[in-house]
Amino acid sequence: NAGVTQTPKFQVLKTGQSMTLQCAQDMNHNSMYWYRQDPGMGLRLIYYSASEGTTDKGEVPNGYNVSRLNKREFSLRLESAAPSQTSVYFCASRGRQGYEQYFGPGTRLTVT
Amino acid sequence: QQPVQSPQAVILREGEDAVINCSSSKALYSVHWYRQKHGEAPVFLMILLKGGEQKGHEKISASFNEKKQQSSLYLTASQLSYSGTYFCGTGGNNAGNMLTFGGGTRLMVKP
Repeated sequence: NAGVTQTPKFQVLKTGQSMTLQCAQDMNHNSMYWYRQDPGMGLRLIYYSASEGTTDKGEVPNGYNVSRLNKREFSLRLESAAPSQTSVYFCASRGRQGYEQYFGPGTRLTVT
Repeated sequence: QQPVQSPQAVILREGEDAVINCSSSKALYSVHWYRQKHGEAPVFLMILLKGGEQKGHEKISASFNEKKQQSSLYLTASQLSYSGTYFCGTGGNNAGNMLTFGGGTRLMVKP
């Protein structure tokens, strides 16, 4: 039981490049989330998915797209990376009956 | 709008107590507390729901004042393992589905 996994762990991009961050959970959770955390700051919600087939914008969705591929997987895409997107990205999931969000280990992204 | 946490940082000796506060300008239905150690993912500590229900994992207590739109986390007899950054997350009426996190309180416990 791996919980929430994220790939890659680290990534460096040049301005304008695109990439997809992958997230998967094996806890049969319905809800999944993408957050970003800038140095010394709290977590800000980018997008979330309450269930398979649905996605909604969070606080800071501009510059990102998401796909809820199936119940297990929720990916985050940066179409044209900008230095302002340098951050640590966390994926999280939550079960239908529970309140706790389980976080993945994070992806550290640097855009130069 | 982001909840406001205070203090921003606190240093304790092992065995001392601390209180971390979280206040919101919006009506609160739930408050969630997480702890994040340096370089790691946040870990759930507890949730407080409107109406008084609480659920948590550890020997950490908290209060939720719905009228004042505030919550406080009480760390008593602190241990070295309590060090980290504490975040409160405030939820709307769909508890837990969408959280807005505060800026965090950095806690350091020294021997």
